[in-house]
Amino acid sequence: KQEVTQIPAALSVPEGENLVLNCSFTDSAIYNLQWFRQDPGKGLTSLLLIQSSQREQTSGRLNASLDKSSGRSTLYIAASQPGDSATYLCAVNLSGYSTLTFGKGTMLLVSP
Amino acid sequence: KAGVTQTPRYLIKTRGQQVTLSCSPISGHRSVSWYQQTPGQGLQFLFEYFSETQRNKGNFPGRFSGRQFSNSRSEMNVSTLELGDSALYLCASSMTGVSQETQYFGPGTRLLVL
Repeated sequence: KQEVTQIPAALSVPEGENLVLNCSFTDSAIYNLQWFRQDPGKGLTSLLLIQSSQREQTSGRLNASLDKSSGRSTLYIAASQPGDSATYLCAVNLSGYSTLTFGKGTMLLVSP
Repeated sequence: KAGVTQTPRYLIKTRGQQVTLSCSPISGHRSVSWYQQTPGQGLQFLFEYFSETQRNKGNFPGRFSGRQFSNSRSEMNVSTLELGDSALYLCASSMTGVSQETQYFGPGTRLLVL
């Protein structure tokens, strides 16, 4: 059974810091991995989608990497801002369809 | 383009009742997936519908069911509610539900079972 683990569970940083969120998964036979953001009481917003054949994806200040063989992904956030405060979730796709297995998330707080 | 909408946004029920939640996908999207989010278990996949057919199902009891209509709108039903069913229920839509597509999530329906 696929298990997805995210470390740390919570992170508090001052504005302007660069930071890394970690995600690990037990089954390397994934189709892709996605990073989402969830604001309190709201749904999920997709940030980056990395296909299994890719090593990284970038969007603005965000960069996500994928190492299938080691079962790891990282989300790098550059020059963090208070508006980045949210819970960040990673999810892997095993089925080829839209079924996702999620980690429990990292709650990020960026202080001004 | 309007996003994924879910109704109602909040719901309070008592044990033993049943509940129906609704999800309207983004226009043109034919795949709808449902997830349950709780503090203890996190986000767990319930089921996925495509073209009115259930294509995938998660590990939930038969009290959880769903359906999809010809206009791609989807409903999920939970019968004989238990306290543990209290959760945020999220639906997500994509064009055809294949893994390469980004999924777009709705704001969720928060269900409280008393």
